[in-house]
Amino acid sequence: GAVVSQHPSWVICKSGTSVKIECRSLDFQATTMFWYRQFPKQSLMLMATSNEGSKATYEQGVEKDKFLINHASLTLSTLTVTSAHPEDSSFYICSAMQQGPNQPQHFGDGTRLSIL
Amino acid sequence: GENVEQHPSTLSVQEGDSAVIKCTYSDSASNYFPWYKQELGKRPQLIIDIRSNVGEKKDQRIAVTLNKTAKHFSLHITETQPEDSAVYFCAARNQAGTALIFGKGTTLSVSS
Repeated sequence: GAVVSQHPSWVICKSGTSVKIECRSLDFQATTMFWYRQFPKQSLMLMATSNEGSKATYEQGVEKDKFLINHASLTLSTLTVTSAHPEDSSFYICSAMQQGPNQPQHFGDGTRLSIL
Repeated sequence: GENVEQHPSTLSVQEGDSAVIKCTYSDSASNYFPWYKQELGKRPQLIIDIRSNVGEKKDQRIAVTLNKTAKHFSLHITETQPEDSAVYFCAARNQAGTALIFGKGTTLSVSS
């Protein structure tokens, strides 16, 4: 089946640091990738949608200069949390989808980000 | 945009009982409705899904029903087992290529 690899799985860093999270589709080409954020005991909230080769579309309330998304190839999207602060601590999950009708979303394992 | 409401937020049942979780959606153009099970600290796992051209789908102990007119869909788990304990999320998607929008989740606890 389709596999999405997300790295790293866990990051602990100091406030002010920038953190990059990678999302790779291992056995299929993902024309569209999505980034979600999940706070403890809450739902998955969509942050942005990225299509290969174009700028990401951010959801209302998500700062595009804070959360930089790059989708440079059909198998890789990256999310960079710039100048991270404790309130950015969360579980970040990517998902990828192939082009075409009725395609499912395949989720990565998530990245737990803790900012001290 | 799409808005998905999910109830109840918590559900406790005895082993062997049935569990029902309900969701409503706002966008009448939505045509794909998956259900995910998420264990603590892990990715959501797709357990069943339904498309708008059918009203019901079943897979062993799990079934999903869809009422397009009322814009609601439900997850039914029969003969629950302790390993069914997890957080369950419903989701909706309004067209191919757009993201899933999730409900707030239901924490299911099955006691033996």
